Amino acid sequence: DVVLTQTPVSLSVTLGDQASISCRSSQSLEYSDGYTYLEWYLQKPGQSPQLLIYGVSNRFSGVPDRFIGSGSGTDFTLKISRVEPEDLGVYYCFQATHDPYTFGAGTKLELK
Amino acid sequence: EVQLQESGPGLVKPSQSLSLTCSVTGYSITSNYWGWIRKFPGNKMEWMGYISYSGSTSYNPSLKSRISITRDTSKNQFFLQLNSVTTEDTATYYCARFGPLDYWGQGVMVTVSS
Repeated sequence: DVVLTQTPVSLSVTLGDQASISCRSSQSLEYSDGYTYLEWYLQKPGQSPQLLIYGVSNRFSGVPDRFIGSGSGTDFTLKISRVEPEDLGVYYCFQATHDPYTFGAGTKLELK
Repeated sequence: EVQLQESGPGLVKPSQSLSLTCSVTGYSITSNYWGWIRKFPGNKMEWMGYISYSGSTSYNPSLKSRISITRDTSKNQFFLQLNSVTTEDTATYYCARFGPLDYWGQGVMVTVSS
């Protein structure tokens, strides 16, 4: 199975700071059709996970432009500029290139 | 608006079967793919499997022959059955529209305990 290694495990930030989360894959996530099925999700406390980014860098409808996904191959990053209170929670990367699909272990974003 | 809602028992005895229903409104399950995901105590998330718009299925091999995902298109529902459960199947179970996972249910917490 593809292993997604997320770092850091937790991230303490001050409101207004930039935050960066890394997701490294044990295999390239570029599919044979040329698409990279790498997604980012945020689970806020007491809520279901919500889609932030799909296809490495495409923001889902309604996601603020302070969320920026980037990367290719095996190395991906989610950057959050100017962290706001509603950004706190656990972030997961997820790959749907290789079956079985897999999640990273999560990164908890909390206030310093 | 697409909405999903899981339902089913919150407590299941070891060795029995876990059965959950995902009711979908605002979109037909004969389009797209529909998946089951679970979150274990702590943060670990696991992809369980999906059923497609045509009714074909794909399962996580880690669940081997214990899992089955089916559907009732007349009710716009799809179902999860997990057989021979153990305490390690204690988790919150989510259904979601897949490709990507853009709409999720609220989740149902299932405890496996005697």
